[in-house]
Formats: sequence, C-alpha cells, structure tokens
Amino acid sequence: GAVVSQHPSWVICKSGTSVKIECRSLDFQATTMFWYRQFPKQSLMLMATSNEGSKATYEQGVEKDKFLINHASLTLSTLTVTSAHPEDSSFYICSAKAQDRSSYEQYFGPGTRLTVT
Amino acid sequence: DQQVKQNSPSLSVQEGRISILNCDYTNSMFDYFLWYKKYPAEGPTFLISISSIKDKNEDGRFTVFLNKSAKHLSLHIVPSQPGDSAVYFCAASYSNYQLIWGAGTKLIIKP
Repeated sequence: GAVVSQHPSWVICKSGTSVKIECRSLDFQATTMFWYRQFPKQSLMLMATSNEGSKATYEQGVEKDKFLINHASLTLSTLTVTSAHPEDSSFYICSAKAQDRSSYEQYFGPGTRLTVT
Repeated sequence: DQQVKQNSPSLSVQEGRISILNCDYTNSMFDYFLWYKKYPAEGPTFLISISSIKDKNEDGRFTVFLNKSAKHLSLHIVPSQPGDSAVYFCAASYSNYQLIWGAGTKLIIKP
C-alpha cells in the first residue's frame, strides 16, 4: 500500500514552454502533498507544500508564479513549470502524507526528469 | 544553516558485514526521525523511523539508534547485502510538519 505515481517519468521541452507534472496517490487519500527538487549529487530540496483545496505554501526562494501547484483532490496534485528555462532542468519528486498512516511518514513518487533545451 | 547533517558522502562496506550510517542534528525540537533509501532516478522509499521518546527501533536487518544528548542517530544494516547499495537519507521532523533532510550518504556494498 501507499503507492504514489508520477507522470510523466521524463520529459524534454523547449525553452519558454510549460510542462505539467502529475502526482497521484493510488491507494490512499493524501491530506498533504509535497514537491521536491533534486540536483545531481545533492539532497532533496523542498519546493512547496500543498493541502487539498487550499493554496500551496512555497519555500523561500521558490517562485510561486513559475512553479504552479494545484492540489485539486485528495489523490492528485500537479506541478506546472511555466516558461521553462534550461536552469529548470532537474529531477522533480512528489510525496504524500496519508490520512490514515503515521502522520510523519511521506510516501514518494518515482520522480520526473525534466530537461529543458 | 544545516539542521540535519550526514557528514559522510559515501561509505563502502563488504557484503555480509555491518553498515553504519550516521546522522547529526542541531535542533532539539525534532521529535521524529526517519531514514529513506534512494536509488538513482527513483523517489526515496521509507526504511525505518524512530520517535524521540525511544532510543532504538529495529526492523529486520535495519536498526536505528537515537542518542538525544549527542543529537545523533545512526542506521545499522546487518548483514549488508548488494541490494543495499543506494543513497540513504536521514530526515527529521517536529510538530508533524515538513521533513528536514540530510545530504545523503552513498552506501556501496562490495561483493
């Protein structure tokens, strides 16, 4: 149980275009979802926290107008990278907290590799 | 300011031996600690956790030890297996909020 999926697993886009990444909790309802970014050989960097039905809370230094997060339901959150640039190329990972599990644990998706050319 | 530190970027251990991964933290308000395992190009998977009211938690080959006075925790894997080769992240949380992550330690199990 506690499976989180992400789609797409990898995407290549041209500079200036927008890309949407979906994060779904497949077998549980997620009260809170998180979006992380990981640069090569570095730790996970939390970008934002989203709760279903409310606006996402962004970490300092993360542009909310560039990284649009929508948490429309208890099983789906989306991250849209708007007007992508090569420096946005990274590995994006989402995670979710389950309503009925230990509230400290997060369950992670497999990640999405974004390459902006 | 790094609140959670994993000072060893990598660790190499012989198969069958014990792997010990270390993590230090600075915030005494942390009340829950977790270890995650990550393979390249995949999301982290939860391994084991420990509440600050305990000093040890065991699950199969994995044991986590917490020393609150030293603000130190460690993950022991015994015996180490080739499939254990991965990056291990230590994470801490307080007030049931976000996880604060360490930089990770790459564990290499040698056959």
